[in-house]
Amino acid sequence: GAGVSQSPRYKVTKRGQDVALRCDPISGHVSLYWYRQALGQGPEFLTYFNYEAQQDKSGLPNDRFSAERPEGSISTLTIQRTEQRDSAMYRCASSVASGDSYEQYFGPGTRLTVT
Amino acid sequence: KQEVTQIPAALSVPEGENLVLNCSFTDSAIYNLQWFRQDPGKGLTSLLLIQSSQREQTSGRLNASLDKSSGRSTLYIAASQPGDSATYLCAVHSNSGYALNFGKGTSLLVTP
Repeated sequence: GAGVSQSPRYKVTKRGQDVALRCDPISGHVSLYWYRQALGQGPEFLTYFNYEAQQDKSGLPNDRFSAERPEGSISTLTIQRTEQRDSAMYRCASSVASGDSYEQYFGPGTRLTVT
Repeated sequence: KQEVTQIPAALSVPEGENLVLNCSFTDSAIYNLQWFRQDPGKGLTSLLLIQSSQREQTSGRLNASLDKSSGRSTLYIAASQPGDSATYLCAVHSNSGYALNFGKGTSLLVTP
């Protein structure tokens, strides 16, 4: 079946612009996660949704970052007034639920470059 | 805060060798541990998930073990092939939250 999809795959934007990154999880997966990965590092957690409820946003670096999942399926991560330090790979993952038995499945990521 | 460390950072082996990748974590209160493979420009592929109550998991030429009390996991790759060349990431799902905490990865190169 279809895996996690993300769009766009690549995004180049100028400093100060807003960007919206989209994640379409695996059908039936109620848990959705956003991570950010810098070059040479492992992914770092940003935020987590259970259905449409954002249950953990402790990893969002500042208030320029926000995320939503209004219907409990597709999620959008928005970065306002982008800065060069926001350049990274943004990864989305989904799982059937959250807990010990449930694998997280990752999408291909969105490579964001802020010039 | 859960800290995950992977050793070595990079490894180069000739084809056919068996090899071991190491992962250690600081907080033993975990739900599970996952091993991922990352290929350049692509997503993360889940290789194995070990639940906190399990000691090991096997898939084909891969075997992952978990010693929760000592905060260690190993990924064993048997009879390595050039197609195994990739970065291998260890990730821990702690009881205290929803996130996976990742190590920085081991970059593996298998030469023909």
